[in-house]
Amino acid sequence: EDQVTQSPEALRLQEGESSSLNCSYTVSGLRGLFWYRQDPGKGPEFLFTLYSAGEEKEKERLKATLTKKESFLHITAPKPEDSATYLCAVHPQGEYGNKLVFGAGTILRVKS
Amino acid sequence: NAGVTQTPKFQVLKTGQSMTLQCAQDMNHNSMYWYRQDPGMGLRLIYYSASEGTTDKGEVPNGYNVSRLNKREFSLRLESAAPSQTSVYFCASSEVKYSPLHFGNGTRLTVT
Repeated sequence: EDQVTQSPEALRLQEGESSSLNCSYTVSGLRGLFWYRQDPGKGPEFLFTLYSAGEEKEKERLKATLTKKESFLHITAPKPEDSATYLCAVHPQGEYGNKLVFGAGTILRVKS
Repeated sequence: NAGVTQTPKFQVLKTGQSMTLQCAQDMNHNSMYWYRQDPGMGLRLIYYSASEGTTDKGEVPNGYNVSRLNKREFSLRLESAAPSQTSVYFCASSEVKYSPLHFGNGTRLTVT
């Protein structure tokens, strides 16, 4: 069974304190891994897609990396506006359509 | 540019009542999806439509029906609501079946 596990469930950081979020996945084959950001009361917003081990993507203070078993979302010098829930999702190989398997998310709080 | 629009934003139903959740996208996307989000769990796919005129079941289809009315609109119907269907429902669309999802801001449904 395809599974996605995110850790930690919640993370509190001081402004400027860098850290990483983890997304571990178990799939028969990986077509792609997605990171989304979700603000309270809003729908998820797309951040990155990663397709193969060793790939990295960056956007402002965020950098996503991918290995064969997990992905990390590195947050460098975070600001309060980075507070959100970060969701990871995988697209298993062979799945028709866009049937993503989502993790439960990591709730990030950045205090000034 | 509105993106994905969902109505209503909030709804309270009594057990056994029926309702339809509406979703429309203005990005000319081919594929559309309905997900539900429950606390501590990842987003779970209810139904999806890879293209106009086609629909298919996702992970948790029981108790729901869908209609792809045209390329823009994809509705979700609860024929006889149950308390287990209390959730936040998200509609999403994507350009093609493997591209990133664009989400609406959700419908918060409570069934008493």
